[in-house]
Parts: sequence; C-alpha cells; structure tokens
Amino acid sequence: EAQVTQNPRYLITVTGKKLTVTCSQNMNHEYMSWYRQDPGLGLRQIYYSMNVEVTDKGDVPEGYKVSRKEKRNFPLILESPSPNQTSLYFCASSLSLGETQYFGPGTRLLVL
Amino acid sequence: GQQLNQSPQSMFIQEGEDVSMNCTSSSIFNTWLWYKQDPGEGPVLLIALYKAGELTSNGRLTAQFGITRKDSFLNISASIPSDVGIYFCAGRAENAGNMLTFGGGTRLMVKP
Repeated sequence: EAQVTQNPRYLITVTGKKLTVTCSQNMNHEYMSWYRQDPGLGLRQIYYSMNVEVTDKGDVPEGYKVSRKEKRNFPLILESPSPNQTSLYFCASSLSLGETQYFGPGTRLLVL
Repeated sequence: GQQLNQSPQSMFIQEGEDVSMNCTSSSIFNTWLWYKQDPGEGPVLLIALYKAGELTSNGRLTAQFGITRKDSFLNISASIPSDVGIYFCAGRAENAGNMLTFGGGTRLMVKP
C-alpha cells in the first residue's frame, strides 16, 4: 500500500532533550516536506527536499534540522526542543514539485 | 514569510446549501491548491490550479485561480454531512521559490 509513515505518532519530552521524528515513503517520491500545524495558523512549512541531498528551508525552519540521505526517508531533528515546538507535525511527499502531496498521519509532540 | 488570508474561519450550514470560501494574498502566486483535513488525519489534496483564470471542478467542488493571481476561491455545491472538516488553501508565491504556504483554514460544519 502506497503510504507515508511517521514515527512516533505521539511524543512527550522535556526541554533540551534531542529527538528525531522519522518519515518514510514507499512511492519513490522525489519531493518531501515537513509541516507543523498549530491552531489558527494552519500548516507552516518547516523544511522541504527536492531530492536526495537537496534540502531547503521553509517558512519556520528555526530550531529544526533535516537530512535526506536516501530517497525514501526524511527525518526531522530537534536538537534542543523547546515548549514553543509543541505542535502537530506532518510529513508529506509527492512525485515531484507541483504534484499531489500525500501526507503522513501526523506526530503530536509535547515539549515540557 | 508569506501570508495567506483565508475566510471565513468557520461556517455552520444546513445540508444542501452551497458553500464558498476564499484565500487572498498580498503577493502574486503561481500555484493554488485546496486541501481538506478530517479529524486525526493529514490534509488531502482536492484541487490544484496552475494558471490565472483557471476554473477546475472535482465532483461538487469547484475552485478558481484568480485573474490577479493574488486570490483563489473554493465552492462546494449541495453540501452533505461528510463535507465536514477543515479546508485549507495553499500556494506557491512567485518570489518564494518552492516553498508552500498554507492559509489558516476554514472549519466547515454541516447540519443534517
């Protein structure tokens, strides 16, 4: 089944403790992206990747890192999480830029 | 970053009524997308628009790319209870490279 998977789905952590949210797609998509969703603000793009080893900042990249070492995986790294990074995070992928984006199920993160 | 103003923020309508929502921007956009998000799920693409003036339908949904390239609207005709959800506009601004910006969302509630 074609899908985008994210892990974990729920995470509670403390300020400053590094964490990684994984994202994987099995559709051989080139374009992958991370968003955060906050009430009243819609979805805001954090980082995106046009292909392997090609990443770029979105609208709200501060406090986040990403890597794209392989086509299928696009992990989101929070080196030192802070409470203002408490949010719902979505990973998405598409065949290429401009094509239909498929979203993962979301990761709900709470930083205490 | 880019700003997309989406209105209305919420709508509570009777089943069978038509619905209209829109997005406006201060920048020129070269792509407009409309998504629907159900509770606990990621957004799903409904309609994609790539040319000014373009009018595209998907079943009971119709969306248009504004002539000024600074706005787009989505209409839903003869609403049904399963139309309930949050609708997001999204777009790529002409001067923002490949970054995708989302509106704040319109929460639609349908009374049977």
